Amino acid sequence: KAGVTQTPRYLIKTRGQQVTLSCSPISGHRSVSWYQQTPGQGLQFLFEYFSETQRNKGNFPGRFSGRQFSNSRSEMNVSTLELGDSALYLCASSLSGDAGYEKLFFGSGTQLSVL
Amino acid sequence: TQLLEQSPQFLSIQEGENLTVYCNSSSVFSSLQWYRQEPGEGPVLLVTVVTGGEVKKLKRLTFQFGDARKDSSLHITAAQPGDTGLYLCAGEVDSSYKLIFGSGTRLLVRP
Repeated sequence: KAGVTQTPRYLIKTRGQQVTLSCSPISGHRSVSWYQQTPGQGLQFLFEYFSETQRNKGNFPGRFSGRQFSNSRSEMNVSTLELGDSALYLCASSLSGDAGYEKLFFGSGTQLSVL
Repeated sequence: TQLLEQSPQFLSIQEGENLTVYCNSSSVFSSLQWYRQEPGEGPVLLVTVVTGGEVKKLKRLTFQFGDARKDSSLHITAAQPGDTGLYLCAGEVDSSYKLIFGSGTRLLVRP
């Protein structure tokens, strides 16, 4: 069974640009969630999608957005990049999104560097 | 605001030693999970504890959930270099589909 696939693996952008990250969940998983990981703040929840609907959103500015497609693949977009957006962006998939009890499967992440 | 505090932040030990990592909160969690993350990879779930006082063992790893469901510990017996990594505790907030992660404990086991 293939794992969660995130593309690209590495990304370098400059301030003001926008970026789109992609996540392909494990086959059959309908929930996809996104997390930002930085050395200072650790892992922080961005948003969660199930069947193309966003069910929850973390405390991030509106520059961070996402969507999920009918095949459960998900993308997240960050517009007007800031230096502080440099981070590892992790995607996780699960069957129903019951995060406290289900096993979340994480991808290897996209390492974004903003210069 | 529900927060999870982990201690210690860093731990460097010799192969064969025992260690304990702690995860504490002022809030009650219905369940807590422990993850391990290796460099360049996403976190991998080790265990989920759901009952206050519960103890789960996974080979040399022992996980305990506090009676009041506000804290948890991870004990590793006879640590090996392969145990090196970032250990994270996490809890779900009110069936919100999101996990709150602790700040992590970075473990280095020296051969």
